[in-house]
Amino acid sequence: AQSVSQHNHHVILSEAASLELGCNYSYGGTVNLFWYVQYPGQHLQLLLKYFSGDPLVKGIKGFEAEFIKSKFSFNLRKPSVQWSDTAEYFCAVISGNTGKLLFGQGTTLQVKP
Amino acid sequence: GAGVSQTPSNKVTEKGKYVELRCDPISGHTALYWYRQSLGQGPEFLIYFQGTGAADDSGLPNDRFFAVRPEGSVSTLKIQRTERGDSAVYLCASSLEGARNTGELFFGEGSRLTVL
Repeated sequence: AQSVSQHNHHVILSEAASLELGCNYSYGGTVNLFWYVQYPGQHLQLLLKYFSGDPLVKGIKGFEAEFIKSKFSFNLRKPSVQWSDTAEYFCAVISGNTGKLLFGQGTTLQVKP
Repeated sequence: GAGVSQTPSNKVTEKGKYVELRCDPISGHTALYWYRQSLGQGPEFLIYFQGTGAADDSGLPNDRFFAVRPEGSVSTLKIQRTERGDSAVYLCASSLEGARNTGELFFGEGSRLTVL
């Protein structure tokens, strides 16, 4: 079955620490990849996306993600986190010709000031 | 309004009752998605519409769940004979052309359903 896995369920970091959140998917063929973020009390919003081209994509607020096809991964990174990055992060995938966007189970990031 | 609007924001019902959840997408968005999110989980896909038709309803868990979008704008998610396991936040999202084309879904705040 098609699936999206996020390895870290809960991450706690201090401000200025570097961040990497893992995401793996189990689709073959063409995929489009996304990271969504949900800040406390807010709705889900797009952080960044990969459709084609450069596998290293830049998003808002200094986030980036790298698509590694051979590893079926799309990890999210940020060199230096801020307290305001405290949120829940979701990896999502579309495969093939479907428009169905499937989400991982999410990672809760807590940044201590 | 400028964003996706969902009503009601909160619904408490008794087991066995019928529930309707409404979604008003962003004006002009042709694609509309329904998801269900339980505590500590990611959004679970239910169904998505392109215009008036359901392009993919493979996520609907059983025949108690049904969704419509008769005029290609507002959508209603209908749940018959509710069960306690249906308790969750039901999320609606809309997209200008669909996640496959533009990649960005705009989410509403969700409707929290509690079945007692």
